[in-house]
Amino acid sequence: QKEVEQNSGPLSVPEGAIASLNCTYSDRGSQSFFWYRQYSGKSPELIMSIYSNGDKEDGRFTAQLNKASQYVSLLIRDSQPSDSATYLCAVEDPSGGSYIPTFGRGTSLIVHP
Amino acid sequence: DADVTQTPRNRITKTGKRIMLECSQTKGHDRMYWYRQDPGLGLQLIYYSFDVKDINKGEISDGYSVSRQAQAKFSLSLESAIPNQTALYFCATSDGLAGGLNEQFFGPGTRLTVL
Repeated sequence: QKEVEQNSGPLSVPEGAIASLNCTYSDRGSQSFFWYRQYSGKSPELIMSIYSNGDKEDGRFTAQLNKASQYVSLLIRDSQPSDSATYLCAVEDPSGGSYIPTFGRGTSLIVHP
Repeated sequence: DADVTQTPRNRITKTGKRIMLECSQTKGHDRMYWYRQDPGLGLQLIYYSFDVKDINKGEISDGYSVSRQAQAKFSLSLESAIPNQTALYFCATSDGLAGGLNEQFFGPGTRLTVL
C-alpha cells in the first residue's frame, strides 16, 4: 500500500521566516512529486512539481527531492500571512502507465504577523 | 469562466436518498477524477476515468458509482446516501502526459451533508 506521510501541524512561523514542510513516501518507484496549497474551504492548487533529485526554485518556493531517502520538502522563504494554508504533498505512481497520484493528509501552516 | 465546474456546490440530503454530483471541464483533458476530503484527512480517490470508456475504482469506491457521459463530463452518484458520506467532494482533471508530472486541476468542490 502506497503511503505519503506529512506532519499535520500546525506549523507556526513568524512573518518573514522560512517555513519548511516535509513529506515522506513509501513507494520507491515513485517518479513525480507535487506540492499543492489549499486554503480553508477551497480547492487545492499546484504550487510546485519536481521530478529530479535536488532543488527546484520558483520565486519564494523551493522544492527539494531526495529519492534515495524517499522524501520531498517544500521551503517557503520570506513567509507571508497569505501563505497560511494547508499544503498537500502528492506522489505520482507510474505503475502500469497510470500515473495516479497519492496525496498526503497535508500540513497546516500558520504565518503570524 | 472556470475550467472545472461542479454542481451543486452545497447539498443537504437525508439518509437513503440518491444523490448525483456533476462535474464539467473545458480544459480538454482526457483524465477525470473524483475525490472526497474529510477534515484533517487528505484527498481520497473514489473513481477515475482515463477516457469515456475507461472507468476505474479508487481506494474508497464502495457506496459510490460514476458515469462518464462525455470527455467533458464525469458524474458521481451516491445510490443510497449515509451520514459517513458527509464530506467535501472534489472533481479534478489532468492531461495524462506520458512520463508523468501530470498536474491535477480541481473544481471548486461540493459540500455534501447527509443527515
